[in-house]
Amino acid sequence: GAVVSQHPSWVICKSGTSVKIECRSLDFQATTMFWYRQFPKQSLMLMATSNEGSKATYEQGVEKDKFLINHASLTLSTLTVTSAHPEDSSFYICSASLTGATDTQYFGPGTRLTVL
Amino acid sequence: AQSVTQLGSHVSVSEGALVLLRCNYSSSVPPYLFWYVQYPNQGLQLLLKYTTGATLVKGINGFEAEFKKSETSFHLTKPSAHMSDAAEYFCAVSPNQAGTALIFGKGTTLSVSS
Repeated sequence: GAVVSQHPSWVICKSGTSVKIECRSLDFQATTMFWYRQFPKQSLMLMATSNEGSKATYEQGVEKDKFLINHASLTLSTLTVTSAHPEDSSFYICSASLTGATDTQYFGPGTRLTVL
Repeated sequence: AQSVTQLGSHVSVSEGALVLLRCNYSSSVPPYLFWYVQYPNQGLQLLLKYTTGATLVKGINGFEAEFKKSETSFHLTKPSAHMSDAAEYFCAVSPNQAGTALIFGKGTTLSVSS
């Protein structure tokens, strides 16, 4: 149980285009989902916390107008990278917590974004 | 505020040798502590976690970790390394609050040689 999926697993896009990444909790409801970014050989950096039905909370330094997060249901959160540039190329990982749970987050397999 | 320090960005061991990956944390409240493993181009897999209770926690793949409050440590160990253990390992901390993200250490790359 507690499986989180991400789609697509990898995407290549041209500079200036927008890319949407989906994060789904397949067998549980997740009130809260988190979006992380990971550069090669580095740790995960929290980008934003996404709560179902409300606006996402962004970490300092993360542009909310560039990284649009929508959490329309208890099983789906989306991250849209708008007007992508090569420096946005990274590994994006989402995670989800069981509603009401405080201990364990379940991570998606990640999405590799390459912007040409 | 919480923070995590993983000592040693790269650890190399021989197959069959003891694995020790170090993690120290800073937290103003009783923390929840986690170890995750990441294989290349994959997401994170939970190895084990400490929330409350027994301080020696056993996880998957023969790994275990001990929460030592006096030392603010949560080191990960495995008695005998296997080639398949080669991966990136992340220690993480979380306050015991619903809806709070994990804070990760910088990670330790484990290499296993035959």
